Amino acid sequence: GAVVSQHPSRVICKSGTSVKIECRSLDFQATTMFWYRQFPKQSLMLMATSNEGSKATYEQGVEKDKFLINHASLTLSTLTVTSAHPEDSSFYICSAAPNRLIPGQDTQYFGPGTRLTVL
Amino acid sequence: GQQVMQIPQYQHVQEGEDFTTYCNSSTTLSNIQWYKQRPGGHPVFLIQLVKSGEVKKQKRLTFQFGEAKKNSSLHITATQTTDVGTYFCAGRKTSYDKVIFGPGTSLSVIP
Repeated sequence: GAVVSQHPSRVICKSGTSVKIECRSLDFQATTMFWYRQFPKQSLMLMATSNEGSKATYEQGVEKDKFLINHASLTLSTLTVTSAHPEDSSFYICSAAPNRLIPGQDTQYFGPGTRLTVL
Repeated sequence: GQQVMQIPQYQHVQEGEDFTTYCNSSTTLSNIQWYKQRPGGHPVFLIQLVKSGEVKKQKRLTFQFGEAKKNSSLHITATQTTDVGTYFCAGRKTSYDKVIFGPGTSLSVIP
């Protein structure tokens, strides 16, 4: 089956530093990747959608200068949390879609998530 | 904007009892997906429903898409401890829209 990996799985950093999270599709090419944020016992909130070779589309209220997304290849997307603060502490999950939102073929495969703790 | 709601928020059942979670959208959906997230894990895709009135089964799990394509349900027969987790429904207005996740139903199974 389709496998998506994320690295690192867990990161603790000091306030003010930047953290990069990688999302890779291991056995398929992902034209579209999604970045979500999940607070404890809450649902997934879509942060942004990235398409390979083009700029990411950010959801309302998500600061694109703070959450930098780069989808440089069909198997890799990165999320960089710049100048992280304690309120950025959360579970960040990426997902990848093998096809460009083709009806009936738009299954998303989720990575294992990255737990970010900002001290 | 589009909203997806789920009830109940939490459900505690005795092992062997049945369980149902309901998903309702404020708008008509082109399709609906169901995911399961185990404690400490990530969401895992279970199924996608596309057609009005569609019913799909996976062993003890039965998924239904409403006739108006605005609601869906997941029913688990004779729950087991391995069913523990949070079940999310996720829908989109058209196949080209973003997926909106419901708040999830957290299932606990008492052995």
